[in-house]
Amino acid sequence: EVQLVESGGGLVQPGRSLRLSCLGSGFTFEDYALIWVRQAPGKGPEWVGFIRSKTYGETSEYAASVKGRFTISRDDSKSTAYLRMNSLKVEDTALYYCIISSSYVDDAFDIWGQGTRVTVSS
Amino acid sequence: IQMTQSPSSLSASVGDRVTITCRASQGIRNDLSWYQQKPGKAPRLLIYDAFNLQKGVPSRFSGSRSGTDFTLTISSLQPEDYATYYCLQDFNLWTFGQGTKVEVK
Repeated sequence: EVQLVESGGGLVQPGRSLRLSCLGSGFTFEDYALIWVRQAPGKGPEWVGFIRSKTYGETSEYAASVKGRFTISRDDSKSTAYLRMNSLKVEDTALYYCIISSSYVDDAFDIWGQGTRVTVSS
Repeated sequence: IQMTQSPSSLSASVGDRVTITCRASQGIRNDLSWYQQKPGKAPRLLIYDAFNLQKGVPSRFSGSRSGTDFTLTISSLQPEDYATYYCLQDFNLWTFGQGTKVEVK
């Protein structure tokens, strides 16, 4: 069974850092781009960023709202992707999901993790 | 790319035909998908590439396109369809619509 499991969320003060992890199983992790999406309480989902597979250079792209503060990386030997969040703001409070797209759905989001909650508050 | 989804909410009864629209700020070909989200759950893919029904999704769900306007149609609303629906463009990175909450009339 294809599965994504996020971890690392919690309560953090504004200005501090946090690193989220996304562990994949049931598929060849290195073949897939890894996408992060967040959803603030009572709001719609927002794309955060993604990292391409090694085949495509492991390069990453970010939403304007997090560019320069968030960094996505991956360790294919551990089937794990990371979202490093620096200079956290109250508005970064959200449930963070990691996602992969099966090849037949092009770039739609068909496999989601259960999410990990980040609360930024003093 | 901006996605404008409408309406933000609607009230409907079981058996009603429901339509939700997303308008893209520029051409996005057919690079649009639709999602259903219920409270406490991750969004669920319903439609990809504007028209294609995801595996396991009931055939009462369908997608269509006219230019930069995309529509999700539920032909006969069922009790389990009360939820919030989102569109997502993937032509240039990704942008979600604002969502449509389908409520009981």
